[in-house]
Amino acid sequence: EVQLVESGGGLVQPGGSLRLSCAASGFTFSKYWMSWVRQAPGKGLEWVANTKEDGSDKYYVDSVKGRFTISRDNAKNSLHLQMNSLRAEDTAVYYCVAGVGSGDPHWGQGTLVTVSS
Amino acid sequence: QSVLTQPPSVSAAPGQKVSLSCSGSSSNIGNNPVSWYQQVPGTAPKLLIFENSKRPSGIPDRLSGSKSGTSATLGITGLQTGDEADYYCGTWDSSLNAYVFGTGTKVTVL
Repeated sequence: EVQLVESGGGLVQPGGSLRLSCAASGFTFSKYWMSWVRQAPGKGLEWVANTKEDGSDKYYVDSVKGRFTISRDNAKNSLHLQMNSLRAEDTAVYYCVAGVGSGDPHWGQGTLVTVSS
Repeated sequence: QSVLTQPPSVSAAPGQKVSLSCSGSSSNIGNNPVSWYQQVPGTAPKLLIFENSKRPSGIPDRLSGSKSGTSATLGITGLQTGDEADYYCGTWDSSLNAYVFGTGTKVTVL
């Protein structure tokens, strides 16, 4: 059974940091581009970042460039998102996604990040 | 603000057909394949269509996708109450070097 389990979400003050993790199982993690997609409360989907199968290429949405860093560990089937200088507008459910845009994507259930004082 | 524009809402009676549009540009829809996702509030999105018109296994043929120029369309025939959800288009944008989702369309079954 394919599973993507996110962790690390929670409440953080503006300007603070948080590290999200995603544990993958049930599929060949190293063969998928991996992404983080977020959804602010009551809003639509927003792609945040992705990383190539071997981690050599990474892309980010403009609003998080310089603040967020995506990384992966294929030996541990894990994906991470280091989030620094957090803002209120970063408040969202963050989904870990394997193969966004492909014909065989896998989505986690999401972890809530709340940025508030 | 998304670069892919979708109507905020569409509605129709059970058994009817709806068409959901997704409008973009040459840097996204015009030159990259489109996917469509269904999201029931509180749950993760589910893939309905990939590569413009292909259905993953388990998706019924009353759902269809098409693309023409810089626009894409998701069609749903034989509308059911279970189709009530939010629908998003998505594709890669070669200018932004980013995956982009549409603004989303809420489908209501009257």
